[in-house]
Amino acid sequence: AQSVAQPEDQVNVAEGNPLTVKCTYSVSGNPYLFWYVQYPNRGLQFLLKYITGDNLVKGSYGFEAEFNKSQTSFHLKKPSALVSDSALYFCAVRDQSGTYKYIFGTGTRLKVLA
Amino acid sequence: GAVVSQHPSWVICKSGTSVKIECRSLDFQATTMFWYRQFPKQSLMLMATSNEGSKATYEQGVEKDKFLINHASLTLSTLTVTSAHPEDSSFYICAADRGRSNTGELFFGEGSRLTVL
Repeated sequence: AQSVAQPEDQVNVAEGNPLTVKCTYSVSGNPYLFWYVQYPNRGLQFLLKYITGDNLVKGSYGFEAEFNKSQTSFHLKKPSALVSDSALYFCAVRDQSGTYKYIFGTGTRLKVLA
Repeated sequence: GAVVSQHPSWVICKSGTSVKIECRSLDFQATTMFWYRQFPKQSLMLMATSNEGSKATYEQGVEKDKFLINHASLTLSTLTVTSAHPEDSSFYICAADRGRSNTGELFFGEGSRLTVL
């Protein structure tokens, strides 16, 4: 079965510092990995995805993620955090066994402190 | 591009009534729409997958007679919560898939917060 894990419920970082939000995955076959962000009482917004190619994927709002096959990880990163980055972040994997459903992690709340 | 509109954003209803939530893809055709439920401080729980013109596929544990899903066109899917009860209070989110490939991202609606009194 496909799954993703986000080991941290919350991440606090000072504004201007680099941030990392962790995600590990378990899939059979090629992993199709995604990051989404959710602001309060809103739907999710797509940030970036890894399908194939370069391990470092760049996305919206200055975010990037590094795909690491040996560690089965897909951590979200940003060199310099903004207070406006404070939100709930979800890692997801798309099932490739036929249903093509998305499996979401439990989410990590990022709090950027001014 | 790739805008998904979900309506209503907020709804309060009395116990026993039915509530319909609409999800529209405004600038693309959505071959598949997903309906999620999100509890406070929790992840998204997939309720069902709907494909245009066919019956929805419900996840295990989701009552299909209670949560009626209709995907009548490539741009509209609806979720009707029938005979709502307070335990149905939640944040419901739809997501649309363009269907160009199985590697694409989902486009989410803004969500609908249902409160059942």
